[in-house]
Order: sequence, then C-alpha cells, then structure tokens
Amino acid sequence: AQKVTQAQTEISVVEKEDVTLDCVYETRDTTYYLFWYKQPPSGELVFLIRRNSFDEQNEISGRYSWNFQKSTSSFNFTITASQVVDSAVYFCALSEARGLTGGGNKLTFGTGTQLKVEL
Amino acid sequence: GAVVSQHPSWVICKSGTSVKIECRSLDFQATTMFWYRQFPKQSLMLMATSNEGSKATYEQGVEKDKFLINHASLTLSTLTVTSAHPEDSSFYICSARKGSNQPQHFGDGTRLSIL
Repeated sequence: AQKVTQAQTEISVVEKEDVTLDCVYETRDTTYYLFWYKQPPSGELVFLIRRNSFDEQNEISGRYSWNFQKSTSSFNFTITASQVVDSAVYFCALSEARGLTGGGNKLTFGTGTQLKVEL
Repeated sequence: GAVVSQHPSWVICKSGTSVKIECRSLDFQATTMFWYRQFPKQSLMLMATSNEGSKATYEQGVEKDKFLINHASLTLSTLTVTSAHPEDSSFYICSARKGSNQPQHFGDGTRLSIL
C-alpha cells in the first residue's frame, strides 16, 4: 500500500523567510511519481511539480525548489523568500506508474501542510 | 493549457435532493477523470476513477449507487449525489488527465451543503 506523510500540520513564517515542507512516502513500486500541489483558500488545487522516481536531480523553479532523496523516501519542498501569497495548504502526493512511460493512476495524498506567511 | 472547469462552485439543498456536479476539460481531451472528496482541513480522498465510455471504478467504501458517475465524452464527467443527506456535505473536486503519462489537473471544486 502507498502512503504519504506530511508531519508538519501547520507552519507559520514571516515574509522573506525560507521554509521547507517535508514529505515522506512509502511504496512497494520501483517506478512511481511524486507530486506537489498547492491549495489556496479558494479551494482549487494547483499543480506545482511532478517527479519521476528515476530522476533524483533536485529541481528549482523560481523561488521553489524540490529535494528528492530516494534513500530516505523523501520529497521535500522549499520556498525561498516566502511571500504572503504563498499562504496555502500544500499537498504532497504519490502515484503508481505503469511501465516506464505510465504517468500513474491513483494519487495518494498526504494530509497537507498549512503554510501561513505573515508580514 | 490544461484547464479544468467544475460546476457549480457551491450548492445548498435540502436533504433527499439529488445533486449533479459537472467536470469539464476545457482545452484538452481527458481520457481519465477522477473524483475526490475533501472534508474540512483534511486530505483529498479518491472516490472513483472514470474512463470515457466505460463504467467508473470506485474506491473501497464508496457507494456506487449513491455517487453516480458518468463520463460520456472526452471533455465531460458528471458526479450525481443521489438522495443527498447532511453527511454528504463536503468539498468535491474533480481532476482530469490528458493521457497516462500526464499529471492530473484539478477543477476548482464544489462545496456541497445539505440541510
């Protein structure tokens, strides 16, 4: 069975601080995908990143960066110089993959981390 | 691209009413759509997976006769909550995927309140 753990229920930071959201996963699959989604107060889920289990390179996109460590089954997300607009619930998710090109079927979500960025 | 529209955004209705929620992929064809349910301050729980032209696959514990899913075209899936009761009140959110190698893109969700 797949499982995603986001141990941090809520994090509060002051604007411009860096913040890291933790994600630890469990799966028996050797091929899988990891995701991060952002859910602002309005409710919609915004796709941030998808990472293939074969690709352990860290990724940076603007103020966002992701650290994938297969050895510790972690896929942590760092926001640099946080802004008030970053306030949201962030979900880490895992999906199975079918073969080498399958994009996964079911998404298993973590319980989410509520990030509050204050002035 | 990859815009998913969900309608209505919110609905309030009396107990016993059936409610239909639509999920549309606006700028792509979605071979697969997913329906999730989210209780306040909790994670998303997958209810069912819907492939165009075939019966939906429901997750364990989800009543298929209670939550009717129809995926009649590559751009539209509907979820009908039949004879809704207060315990069905929740945030329902759909997602759509272009193909098996693509990430899911989510709609804006529907807040359902049953009185």
